[in-house]
Amino acid sequence: AQSVAQPEDQVNVAEGNPLTVKCTYSVSGNPYLFWYVQYPNRGLQFLLKYITGDNLVKGSYGFEAEFNKSQTSFHLKKPSALVSDSALYFCAVRDLLNSGGYQKVTFGIGTKLQVIP
Amino acid sequence: EPEVTQTPSHQVTQMGQEVILRCVPISNHLYFYWYRQILGQKVEFLVSFYNNEISEKSEIFDDQFSVERPDGSNFTLKIRSTKLEDSAMYFCASSFDSMNTEAFFGQGTRLTVV
Repeated sequence: AQSVAQPEDQVNVAEGNPLTVKCTYSVSGNPYLFWYVQYPNRGLQFLLKYITGDNLVKGSYGFEAEFNKSQTSFHLKKPSALVSDSALYFCAVRDLLNSGGYQKVTFGIGTKLQVIP
Repeated sequence: EPEVTQTPSHQVTQMGQEVILRCVPISNHLYFYWYRQILGQKVEFLVSFYNNEISEKSEIFDDQFSVERPDGSNFTLKIRSTKLEDSAMYFCASSFDSMNTEAFFGQGTRLTVV
């Protein structure tokens, strides 16, 4: 069975400081990893994904995520936080061994990011 | 930028009533999904739909639920007789394929069963 954990319900960071939103995963095979963001009254917006290749993945709005196989982590990062980054962030995983598509994606519970001016 | 749209944004219904949640997926997408998120819990997969039929469904998607693509643009989720525990945020999503491209999600419909 696959799973994903987001250990922090909320992350607070001062504007201009670097931010990290943590995610760890568990799959039987190789992971296909995603980050989505949800702004108030909006749907889940895709930020970035990792399938294979460079461990550091760059995505939308200046975000990046680092895949660490030994620690089974896929933490989301941004060098300098903006107030407009305040939102709910979801990590998600799919086992590449699964032949199915998005029906096989498991989401985390979400982490609320609050950027303080 | 193309987007998935859902209506209504908030629906309040009495227990036992039928509700229909509506979604307009991105026009060239072929795969459609419904997910739900009960307050404070994880986003959970309900059902996927391809080529005018259900391709997979979770154990949550029981006989009370049904999906339909009544025309070329809409994708609906029907709950026949709502229960209190059906209260949740329901997300529609679509993707071009099932394996290699990410899904795009709508803004969600908050269903409140009273």
